[in-house]
Amino acid sequence: QVQLVESGGGLVKPGGSLRLSCAASGFTFSDYYMSWIRQAPGKGLEWVSYISSSGSTIYYADSVKGRFTISRDNAKNSLYLQMNSLRAEDTAVYYCARGVTAWDYWGQGTLVTVSS
Amino acid sequence: DIQMTQSPSSLSASVGDRVTITCQASQDISNYLNWYQQKPGKAPKLLIYDASNLETGVPSRFSGSGSGTDFTFTISSLQPEDIATYYCQQYDNLPRVTFGPGTKVDIK
Repeated sequence: QVQLVESGGGLVKPGGSLRLSCAASGFTFSDYYMSWIRQAPGKGLEWVSYISSSGSTIYYADSVKGRFTISRDNAKNSLYLQMNSLRAEDTAVYYCARGVTAWDYWGQGTLVTVSS
Repeated sequence: DIQMTQSPSSLSASVGDRVTITCQASQDISNYLNWYQQKPGKAPKLLIYDASNLETGVPSRFSGSGSGTDFTFTISSLQPEDIATYYCQQYDNLPRVTFGPGTKVDIK
């Protein structure tokens, strides 16, 4: 069965960095676009970034452009999100999800807290 | 960006009731709209894609309709396990996909 498992979240100070990972299994990872979506505590959903199946096409939300970098390693069935210059407003649960127009599988999420 | 609004923001209904949620886009998005269910502490789950298509494995009491700017999501007979927040999401202007603010559904 399809599984997406995020890791790498935690507490970080403003201005700090964090790298999230998402381990995929149960499907041919290299065939699918993948996305990161986040949800601030008690708030709604916000798309963050997506990457094409080959990694050649990448897009970011304006709120993270220039600070976050999405990447993937198809040999390792893994998706990544490098987050730099973190701000308090980046505090959220970060989900990796399969797809780009509709997300049919999601991970359980990893909490990123940006606080001094 | 395309703005999505949902109404109501919350509702309480009895088991067996018909529940309807509306979602409105700030511009024509054709049928590029999906619906998700999110239970507390869990990841969202895709229920309806392309406005009216039921995702595999989703109970048939869930349905969606609409096109253009106005969309409707319906639970034909509310069940206790349907307690959740429901989100619409448009993908008309990739990559700038946006979600509605959500509708929280409770049991009366």
